[in-house]
Amino acid sequence: KAGVTQTPRYLIKTRGQQVTLSCSPISGHRSVSWYQQTPGQGLQFLFEYFSETQRNKGNFPGRFSGRQFSNSRSEMNVSTLELGDSALYLCASSPRVPGTEAFFGQGTRLTVV
Amino acid sequence: AQRVTQPEKLLSVFKGAPVELKCNYSYSGSPELFWYVQYSRQRLQLLLRHISRESIKGFTADLNKGETSFHLKKPFAQEEDSAMYYCALSARWTDAGGTSYGKLTFGQGTILTVHP
Repeated sequence: KAGVTQTPRYLIKTRGQQVTLSCSPISGHRSVSWYQQTPGQGLQFLFEYFSETQRNKGNFPGRFSGRQFSNSRSEMNVSTLELGDSALYLCASSPRVPGTEAFFGQGTRLTVV
Repeated sequence: AQRVTQPEKLLSVFKGAPVELKCNYSYSGSPELFWYVQYSRQRLQLLLRHISRESIKGFTADLNKGETSFHLKKPFAQEEDSAMYYCALSARWTDAGGTSYGKLTFGQGTILTVHP
C-alpha cells in the first residue's frame, strides 16, 4: 500500500504570496489532518477533514485554509505568506474516525523569504 | 481541552544505559495515547500505542492514569534509537447528531541522542 504522499517536497515563496500544498492519503483512509512543524513550537495542529468536511481546526489565523475532495485527497492553502510561516507542513491520514492513529507523509518544506 | 507535556527538549544517554522519555497529559475524558518517532530524514511514524501494551524496538510505555503520565522506557539504549520522539493524545467525541470528531494533540517532542 502506498503511503501518504505530499507534494511538492520543497517550496520557496516570497512574503505576501500564497501557496497550495497537496496531500494524497493512504488508499481507503478518509480522514486527513495537517500539522505545522517548527523547531520552536513542535507539532501544531492545523485542521482535520473527514469525508470532505472540516471536523476540527487548530489555533491558526484565517490565512490558513484547507479542503478535501471526494477522493479524500486534501489541499491546504496559505495566503499572504509571512516569514513566520516557514516550516515543515505535515499531512497525516487516519483509517477510521478523526483523531485516531495517524500515518504521516514526508512533509512539504516551505521557506518564506 | 487536552494538553500533552514533554518536559525534556533534549535527552542524552550513553549506549547501553536505560532511557526514559517523560510524557504527561491532561484530558477530562478517557485518553488514548501514542508515541511517535521521527528518525533523521524519515517521516514521523507510530512507535507504540498504550492500548496495545506491546514492546516495539525494546521500548515500552505504561499509562498511569493516577499520575496522568505515559512515559516511554527502554532498559538498554542503542545508537539507532537517536531520534525525535513525540507523545500524542487522541481525543474523540460525538455530537448529538452522531457525528464523530477527533484530534491528535502532540507534545513538544524530545530529541534523544544516544552516544557510543
